[in-house]
Amino acid sequence: AQSVTQLDSQVPVFEEAPVELRCNYSSSVSVYLFWYVQYPNQGLQLLLKYLSGSTLVESINGFEAEFNKSQTSFHLRKPSVHISDTAEYFCAVALRGNQGGKLIFGQGTELSVKP
Amino acid sequence: GAGVSQSPRYKVTKRGQDVTLRCDPISSHATLYWYQQALGQGPEFLTYFNYEAQPDKSGLPSDRFSAERPEGSISTLTIQRTEQRDSAMYRCASSLEPYGGGEQFFGPGTRLTVL
Repeated sequence: AQSVTQLDSQVPVFEEAPVELRCNYSSSVSVYLFWYVQYPNQGLQLLLKYLSGSTLVESINGFEAEFNKSQTSFHLRKPSVHISDTAEYFCAVALRGNQGGKLIFGQGTELSVKP
Repeated sequence: GAGVSQSPRYKVTKRGQDVTLRCDPISSHATLYWYQQALGQGPEFLTYFNYEAQPDKSGLPSDRFSAERPEGSISTLTIQRTEQRDSAMYRCASSLEPYGGGEQFFGPGTRLTVL
């Protein structure tokens, strides 16, 4: 079975400070890795994903995540956050191969950026 | 349509009543997923459709839960004889195909409260 653990349920941070949201996963088979974000009163939307190749992936709004196979981690980082980054962030995995594509999510991390 | 829509956005019902939730996916998307999200938790997979076929319903918590997608587009999730533990956000997502590395597009969700 697969599982995803997000180690922090809430992360308060001041504007322009760096942030790291931690994600660890457990799986006996290879997986794809995702970060989804939910802004207030909106649905979840894809932030970034790792499929293969370079282990460092980036989003268009300055977030990055690094796949670490040995530590089974996919932590999300941003060097300088904005008020508009306030949202809930979900780490997720999906099985490789013909498995239907269902996502297995972590519990979520609420990022609160304060002025 | 332009995005995934769900209705109703909020549903309050009494224990023992049946409820039906609706999802209208992006029109070109073959695959549709249903997730259940309890308060403070990440979304959990319920079932998915590829067109009108339902290859995986392993996440449905009991036989009170059923889903349909008879014409391969709009889907409904029905919960019979609702119980308080069914209170949750129900999220629908669609994707081009049932591929684990693909992006899922989420609707705004239906918040179900069972009194």
